[in-house]
Amino acid sequence: EAGVTQFPSHSVIEKGQTVTLRCDPISGHDNLYWYRRVMGKEIKFLLHFVKESKQDESGMPNNRFLAERTGGTYSTLKVQPAELEDSGVYFCASSQERGAPRGAFFGQGTRLTVV
Amino acid sequence: GQSLEQPSEVTAVEGAIVQINCTYQTSGFYGLSWYQQHDGGAPTFLSYNGLDGLEETGRFSSFLSRSDSYGYLLLQELQMKDSASYFCAVRDSNYQLIWGAGTKLIIKP
Repeated sequence: EAGVTQFPSHSVIEKGQTVTLRCDPISGHDNLYWYRRVMGKEIKFLLHFVKESKQDESGMPNNRFLAERTGGTYSTLKVQPAELEDSGVYFCASSQERGAPRGAFFGQGTRLTVV
Repeated sequence: GQSLEQPSEVTAVEGAIVQINCTYQTSGFYGLSWYQQHDGGAPTFLSYNGLDGLEETGRFSSFLSRSDSYGYLLLQELQMKDSASYFCAVRDSNYQLIWGAGTKLIIKP
């Protein structure tokens, strides 16, 4: 069984450009989460999809971030326009249970560097 | 606000035992989880405590005291491959995981 996959693994873009991150969850997992870790700090929740619906997007920093999950399968997270403070590692996770009390499965993350 | 506190770094010797503590303050509590992350890798689920007490999984154990808003991860018979960052995370009343900043475990031969 394939795990959670994220693409790209690394992205370096200039301030003001647009970047789109993709996450393919484990097949059958309705719950999909996006997290971000800025260097040396805690992993911060961004948003939570249940199938194609946004269950909770309270962690989205601002309206430069747009997440979608078309058809309840893969998800994309677009940053437009990117700012320097958006640099960090963006993790995607999926789970069968809401809130993943017994563990969510994480992807390897996308390391975003905005220069 | 919601917060989890854990030490930023812990150093131990190969073969020894180490305990990583986590205290939390969250809006609602629906369990404490521990994740391991090697450099450049994905966080990997280690353990979950929903009720008070000790959960044991091989060399790793996790403890929870809800009255003290406190838990710990215990790693025994440390191996070099255990060098990683360890995160505690609490599931809050919105069913989201609130994370600590992570503890970097350094193991010396």
